[in-house]
Amino acid sequence: NAGVTQTPKFQVLKTGQSMTLQCAQDMNHNSMYWYRQDPGMGLRLIYYSASEGTTDKGEVPNGYNVSRLNKREFSLRLESAAPSQTSVYFCASSGTFNEQFFGPGTRLTVL
Amino acid sequence: AQSVAQPEDQVNVAEGNPLTVKCTYSVSGNPYLFWYVQYPNRGLQFLLKYITGDNLVKGSYGFEAEFNKSQTSFHLKKPSALVSDSALYFCAVRDGDTGGFKTIFGAGTRLFVKA
Repeated sequence: NAGVTQTPKFQVLKTGQSMTLQCAQDMNHNSMYWYRQDPGMGLRLIYYSASEGTTDKGEVPNGYNVSRLNKREFSLRLESAAPSQTSVYFCASSGTFNEQFFGPGTRLTVL
Repeated sequence: AQSVAQPEDQVNVAEGNPLTVKCTYSVSGNPYLFWYVQYPNRGLQFLLKYITGDNLVKGSYGFEAEFNKSQTSFHLKKPSALVSDSALYFCAVRDGDTGGFKTIFGAGTRLFVKA
């Protein structure tokens, strides 16, 4: 089992460009999450999907959109990237017992 | 609203000594509490959780944590630190009563274990 996978691992964008971060899990979890990690600020929840077909805003949703494509896949889209979105992005999933399993992260730089 | 505080940015301890990483929380309902560890350039890994039951919970790699409801704390402990325990540790809380999925993470505490 691969667990939670994310692509790409690294990305550099120019201001205004768009991109989609991909996430997939093979643990048959219902819930999936997108976080951003910035120095000294811990992890902040961007969006989450409690189950297939549903998505909800987290703490910092502005500038992002998500799609729960199916039970396995949950993508995060930046429509018009800004330097403030430079961060490390983590996808996670969780099952019945609440703890989350994290992917390896995507390091995004917006110039 | 939920919140988590990790009052120490960094904890330094000598190998073989006991370690404690502090966490306090605020939540309106019953707390679901978690500890995660992050090694450099990696995602977070689950260490242990408290949902209900015994206040002392044991987790991976010899770590344990004690839930203290009156002090709203969930401190992470290990009797004998290893150099390999050096990493970034996150405490997290979820409101178990609301049925929601929002988990709030603390800012993290960097643990440095010196040989």
